[in-house]
Amino acid sequence: EAGVAQSPRYKIIEKRQSVAFWCNPISGHATLYWYQQILGQGPKLLIQFQNNGVVDDSQLPKDRFSAERLKGVDSTLKIQPAKLEDSAVYLCASSLVGSGTKTQYFGPGTRLLVL
Amino acid sequence: DQQVKQNSPSLSVQEGRISILNCDYTNSMFDYFLWYKKYPAEGPTFLISISSIKDKNEDGRFTVFLNKSAKHLSLHIVPSQPGDSAVYFCAASAQSNTGKLIFGQGTTLQVKP
Repeated sequence: EAGVAQSPRYKIIEKRQSVAFWCNPISGHATLYWYQQILGQGPKLLIQFQNNGVVDDSQLPKDRFSAERLKGVDSTLKIQPAKLEDSAVYLCASSLVGSGTKTQYFGPGTRLLVL
Repeated sequence: DQQVKQNSPSLSVQEGRISILNCDYTNSMFDYFLWYKKYPAEGPTFLISISSIKDKNEDGRFTVFLNKSAKHLSLHIVPSQPGDSAVYFCAASAQSNTGKLIFGQGTTLQVKP
């Protein structure tokens, strides 16, 4: 079974530029998550989708971050404009609906450096 | 407000000995706890989990213990192997809160041959 796919793996941009990350979850997983992991910290949830609907985006900086999952499968996370403090690893995860275990499976992440 | 805390940033143990990683939480609504392992340049990998109705769960060399009264859980690895060297994250979720995971800061485990 294929795991969670993410691209690109690395991205370097200058502040005020825009950037987009892509995620394809495990087949059949209806729930998709985007996390931000700053160096030395644990992952922090940015947004959670159930199919193509948003379940939780309370910690998403909506003035610069946006995410969509139009067809309920793959998802895109965008930052516009980027700030220095956005330098982090952006992780995508997915899980089964109604599994009761809440186990999330993570992709390899996209490492973003904002200069 | 850090609801899940891993107070030891790093741990070093000898191969073959026991590794004990600790995690404390503050939110009494948490009812499911997980441990993830992370190697450099990879995403976190699910290791083991425990529901709040249990106090112990075992999977091979890995055992997780939950002490609800103390709001504390620990991960035991016996025997430790060099391949276990990684960052370990504790995470917690609450059924009433969409099931989102709250992670600790992580503990870097080094197992010396």
